[in-house]
Amino acid sequence: DGGITQSPKYLFRKEGQNVTLSCEQNLNHDAMYWYRQDPGQGLRLIYYSQIVNDFQKGDIAEGYSVSREKKESFPLTVTSAQKNPTAFYLCASSMYIIGDEQYFGPGTRLTVT
Amino acid sequence: RKEVEQDPGPFNVPEGATVAFNCTYSNSASQSFFWYRQDCRKEPKLLMSVYSSGNEDGRFTAQLNRASQYISLLIRDSKLSDSATYLCVVKRTTDSWGKFQFGAGTQVVVTP
Repeated sequence: DGGITQSPKYLFRKEGQNVTLSCEQNLNHDAMYWYRQDPGQGLRLIYYSQIVNDFQKGDIAEGYSVSREKKESFPLTVTSAQKNPTAFYLCASSMYIIGDEQYFGPGTRLTVT
Repeated sequence: RKEVEQDPGPFNVPEGATVAFNCTYSNSASQSFFWYRQDCRKEPKLLMSVYSSGNEDGRFTAQLNRASQYISLLIRDSKLSDSATYLCVVKRTTDSWGKFQFGAGTQVVVTP
């Protein structure tokens, strides 16, 4: 089955700790994305990557970091510098084609106390 | 001004009725348009792409109006299972690839 997996589904951390969210896809998609969603708000882009070993900041990259060492994997680290990290984090991927749609993983719900 | 705007709703719809709602976008360079459905506490799932000529998928019809910069979604014969938040997504081409912009969503509640 092709798709995007994210783990874990729920994550709890203490303030001041870094945490890494996993995202893996076997769709052979070139582009991958990280979004966060807060209640009542639209998705906001954190980072995106077009190809391996290349990634770009999105609209709200401060306090986050990513890597893209493999085409299939795009992990996101939420650092202690992120002021309000509690949110629903969604990973997505798409083919490198104009007009192509994005597909989402099931998301990770992060709670920092 | 947000790049993609939607009426948040909720649109309360009796089962079997028709509901329609729009999404406006501000960037005329937008090239691709999509409707996604998001259930509570779940990931968005692609409902349909929106083509220039308009398109239909079963009970769902999407239209694009480039002159007025909006897209619309119409749901006929609403089912209880249609209750969800519908996200409008616009993709524009910057540099050599496209960046997706999401609306905050329109909530639809279908009642018995």
